[in-house]
Amino acid sequence: DSGVTQTPKHLITATGQRVTLRCSPRSGDLSVYWYQQSLDQGLQFLIQYYNGEERAKGNILERFSAQQFPDLHSELNLSSLELGDSALYFCASSVVTGRSNYGYTFGSGTRLTVV
Amino acid sequence: QQQVKQSPQSLIVQKGGISIINCAYENTAFDYFPWYQQFPGKGPALLIAIRPDVSEKKEGRFTISFNKSAKQFSLHIMDSQPGDSATYFCAAQSSGAGSYQLTFGKGTKLSVIP
Repeated sequence: DSGVTQTPKHLITATGQRVTLRCSPRSGDLSVYWYQQSLDQGLQFLIQYYNGEERAKGNILERFSAQQFPDLHSELNLSSLELGDSALYFCASSVVTGRSNYGYTFGSGTRLTVV
Repeated sequence: QQQVKQSPQSLIVQKGGISIINCAYENTAFDYFPWYQQFPGKGPALLIAIRPDVSEKKEGRFTISFNKSAKQFSLHIMDSQPGDSATYFCAAQSSGAGSYQLTFGKGTKLSVIP
C-alpha cells in the first residue's frame, strides 16, 4: 500500500456520461497530481493542486476538471465521456518543501472504460 | 512534442544479465530525473532518481548514469531477475516553475527470462 488511495478501482460507463474519480493523498503530502495512462500516449500529466489551489495544468481537456478539498483529497471530474477517454487515471502525491520535491507516490489507479 | 524519449520499447534479458534502458531529453531546465517501475495493475513506484550535479548513482542492483552534455541518462539493472520483469519509465522534472510536474518517457517493458 503506497498510502495514496484511489477510488473506484474500476469504472464502466457509457459515452456522454459524467464520472468522478477520487484520490486521498499520502498523509502529510500537500501536492496532488493527476495523470492519464493510455497504451499509445504513456503517462500524460493532467493537472496539479497544491494545498487546495491549482498549481499547473497539462494536457487536460476542457471536459475534465479537478479540485482539491480542505482535507486535501482531490476529485477529477470527467464529463461528456468519449470512447477515447478510456484509460487508467492515476493520482500521485508529493511533499514539496521550498524548491525541493521529494518524489511522487502514485496510487493504484482507476481504470475507466467508456462503452 | 515528446520531451523525453525512451528506448527500447521492449527488452528481453536472460536471468543474471544486464538490462539497459536509455532516455534522452531536450529541455535543459530539467533538474531531477527519476525512474519508475510499474507492475501490471499497480501504479508506478519510484525506483531511483538522480540530479544533474552527479554523473552516476547506484542503489543495490540499479544504477543511473547521467550525461549532462549529451542530455541523456540511462538505467542499468545488474544481475537481472525474473522479479524485475515490469515496465520502466524514465521521467524528468523542472522545479523552476514551482510545479514539479513530471514528464515521462513512453516506457520500456522488460522481460527477464530464467
